[in-house]
Amino acid sequence: EDQVTQSPEALRLQEGESSSLNCSYTVSGLRGLFWYRQDPGKGPEFLFTLYSAGEEKEKERLKATLTKKESFLHITAPKPEDSATYLCAVPNTGFQKLVFGTGTRLLVSP
Amino acid sequence: DGGITQSPKYLFRKEGQNVTLSCEQNLNHDAMYWYRQDPGQGLRLIYYSQIVNDFQKGDIAEGYSVSREKKESFPLTVTSAQKNPTAFYLCASTGTGGRQPQHFGDGTRLSIL
Repeated sequence: EDQVTQSPEALRLQEGESSSLNCSYTVSGLRGLFWYRQDPGKGPEFLFTLYSAGEEKEKERLKATLTKKESFLHITAPKPEDSATYLCAVPNTGFQKLVFGTGTRLLVSP
Repeated sequence: DGGITQSPKYLFRKEGQNVTLSCEQNLNHDAMYWYRQDPGQGLRLIYYSQIVNDFQKGDIAEGYSVSREKKESFPLTVTSAQKNPTAFYLCASTGTGGRQPQHFGDGTRLSIL
């Protein structure tokens, strides 16, 4: 069964303290991976799509990388406005739906 | 601006009552989805539709119903058979091609009176 696991569940950083979030997946064949950001009371906002192992995408202070078994979301010199829950998801077999992880709640303190 | 509109933002249900959550998109997307989000459980798929007049059950369809009469609209009804309806409900849509990301609305929070 397709499964996505995110760690840590929660992460507290000081402003400027870089770190990484992990998303590991077990699917029958790599079919791409999506990263989302979700603010409280809002829907997930699309960040990145990664299609193949070795691929990297960047947006401001965020950089997403992908291997054959996991993806990392690196946050460089975070600011308080980066505080949110970060979700990753993979398509199931047949691309009918996305399988989501439970997310990492990130809190960046000034 | 193109996007997905969910309404209402907050909804309250009485015992024995059915309620309907609205989802409208102007992205010209073929596929639409309904998810339920509970604390600590992530997003769980309720129903999805890949084309007008066709839809499939997701992982937790019991106590819910949907319709897809128009490409732009995918309403979700939470029936009285759903015994634990309190949750945050999210609607999403995506274009064809299989590898396109899903885009989400801002959700409806349903509570029991």
